[in-house]
Amino acid sequence: NAGVMQNPRHLVRRRGQEARLRCSPMKGHSHVYWYRQLPEEGLKFMVYLQKENIIDESGMPKERFSAEFPKEGPSILRIQQVVRGDSAAYFCASSPGQGPDEQYFGPGTRLTVT
Amino acid sequence: AQTVTQSQPEMSVQEAETVTLSCTYDTSESDYYLFWYKQPPSRQMILVIRQEAYKQQNATENRFSVNFQKAAKSFSLKISDSQLGDAAMYFCAFHSGSARQLTFGSGTQLTVLP
Repeated sequence: NAGVMQNPRHLVRRRGQEARLRCSPMKGHSHVYWYRQLPEEGLKFMVYLQKENIIDESGMPKERFSAEFPKEGPSILRIQQVVRGDSAAYFCASSPGQGPDEQYFGPGTRLTVT
Repeated sequence: AQTVTQSQPEMSVQEAETVTLSCTYDTSESDYYLFWYKQPPSRQMILVIRQEAYKQQNATENRFSVNFQKAAKSFSLKISDSQLGDAAMYFCAFHSGSARQLTFGSGTQLTVLP
């Protein structure tokens, strides 16, 4: 059973460009979470999605950030008009169901904004 | 809102010795779960151990065990017979029964000395 897949692993964008980060959950998992880790900090929750639904986006910046988890395909975290402060590691996690399941993390995408 | 505090930014231990990492949390909820995650230099988040708040017995996974003090809201991780491969950043995390996201502490960087 393949783990959580994220791509790309490293992404470099110039200020003002768009960044698209992809996450494929583990097989059988229908819950996806995105977290951001700034340098020298712990992970901070951004958004929680189920297929075709955003359940909780309380940790998502109000502007420039959006997330989706379509019926088919990976979950996408999209950052428009990136700024230097967006440079961070972005982790995706997935879990199978409604209960307090462990969240299985992907390897992360390191975004660098130049 | 829940908070998780790790008061030891860095710890070191001699190989084969025992080390304890501290974690305290604050919550008004009675149904919750606590986790320790390990983040090695690869940055992959690896689940080390979990504890359900309703269980009085402390969780154990091989050389890893926890000391869960619910009244004191304390959740420390003990690593016995430390190995060089245990060197990593360790994060304590909280998951309530009502909210699905994990709340992480700021981490403890563990160094294992040969």
